Amino acid sequence: DAGVIQSPRHEVTEMGQEVTLRCKPISGHNSLFWYRQTMMRGLELLIYFNNNVPIDDSGMPEDRFSAKMPNASFSTLKIQPSEPRDSAVYFCASSRVDRSSTGANVLTFGAGSRLTVL
Amino acid sequence: GEDVEQSLFLSVREGDSSVINCTYTDSSSTYLYWYKQEPGAGLQLLTYIFSNMDMKQDQRLTVLLNKKDKHLSLRIADTQTGDSAIYFCAEEGERGSTLGRLYFGRGTQLTVWP
Repeated sequence: DAGVIQSPRHEVTEMGQEVTLRCKPISGHNSLFWYRQTMMRGLELLIYFNNNVPIDDSGMPEDRFSAKMPNASFSTLKIQPSEPRDSAVYFCASSRVDRSSTGANVLTFGAGSRLTVL
Repeated sequence: GEDVEQSLFLSVREGDSSVINCTYTDSSSTYLYWYKQEPGAGLQLLTYIFSNMDMKQDQRLTVLLNKKDKHLSLRIADTQTGDSAIYFCAEEGERGSTLGRLYFGRGTQLTVWP
């Protein structure tokens, strides 16, 4: 398996522009997580899905952020309009977990998308 | 929500042992995890421990769990320069309700000096 695939790896954009980050989870995984990492705030969970359904989006900073998971193999995180304070590395991670499963929940992370908003 | 605390920095000399400490708050956590992040990369699972265990050893890594004090530690024996990275402690919420959400600490930057 190629692992969790994120694109783009790097994006530089100007304030006010729309940014779309993409994620392809590992085949067979049913949970998908979007994280943001900055020096100031560390690793923050933005939103996560289970079986394509958003479970908790309380970490999404504000209405400028939205995330979708139209099917089990694809998710997007959109920022519109983008602001300089959104500059960060955004990670997608996936795992296989159910309410009744008892094994460890091993998250596999993508390589991240580094976003710079000027 | 759950709160996971770690010290931010640790420096050791090559060949010495490193001990990274972590405290967590959710006594119902069934699994606790250590992830490693190398520069420019995503987090990778290093090891994990089930909550009914006190210790887990895997080659140079030893995980100690004190459930009473909600304290987790990661010991790296014979630390090498290649171990320089950020190490994250994480606890898992109650799976039935949080469906696999992990709560991560801020990460400990380990620097190994030759």
